[in-house]
Amino acid sequence: DQQVKQNSPSLSVQEGRISILNCDYTNSMFDYFLWYKKYPAEGPTFLISISSIKDKNEDGRFTVFLNKSAKHLSLHIVPSQPGDSAVYFCAASGWGAAGNKLTFGGGTRVLVKP
Amino acid sequence: DAGVIQSPRHEVTEMGQEVTLRCKPISGHDYLFWYRQTMMRGLELLIYFNNNVPIDDSGMPEDRFSAKMPNASFSTLKIQPSEPRDSAVYFCASTLLAGGTGELFFGEGSRLTVL
Repeated sequence: DQQVKQNSPSLSVQEGRISILNCDYTNSMFDYFLWYKKYPAEGPTFLISISSIKDKNEDGRFTVFLNKSAKHLSLHIVPSQPGDSAVYFCAASGWGAAGNKLTFGGGTRVLVKP
Repeated sequence: DAGVIQSPRHEVTEMGQEVTLRCKPISGHDYLFWYRQTMMRGLELLIYFNNNVPIDDSGMPEDRFSAKMPNASFSTLKIQPSEPRDSAVYFCASTLLAGGTGELFFGEGSRLTVL
């Protein structure tokens, strides 16, 4: 059973517009969430993270929102640029025995059209 | 500092053959992870080590898979015998911080094709 789900496998957006990527999780023990970006033939790279004590974290054009009650987080990219075209993975971790490993979602492929 | 280094980048083999994937983590990182990426399952954790000791191998699909970390700078993931369903991209990642808040640094991956 997938504990982290990204229900949209792909997203297409016009350059300059907002990209919104969604992620849902089921494990209430998760308390730290990350987004990774992956280009073809490369490994995933860290993009932005958020702790469960916050509901928003912003870094330049990237903002992550966390809704703990809904077990939902989202990544907003504003404005979207062609270089943002990549696969984005949502990931989650918790403390304790599972605290040292990340559980990833299936990924969302973003295409930003010029 | 060099990132996580994986080899080979590409491997094509025939069913039944042994496959060995290699990883050199970032120097000083004490956690090492092996992930597998497939279209169906996305990125799934196979096994991770802390200070060269396997901590959680619950993601290893079956006995055909084994992983070792003989020292702090080297790890292997072995599949014997390999099967077509093992075809995937295998990523190695390392990190320094414990508690799940440490950013994982990934290698470029090893793309395995089993015919």
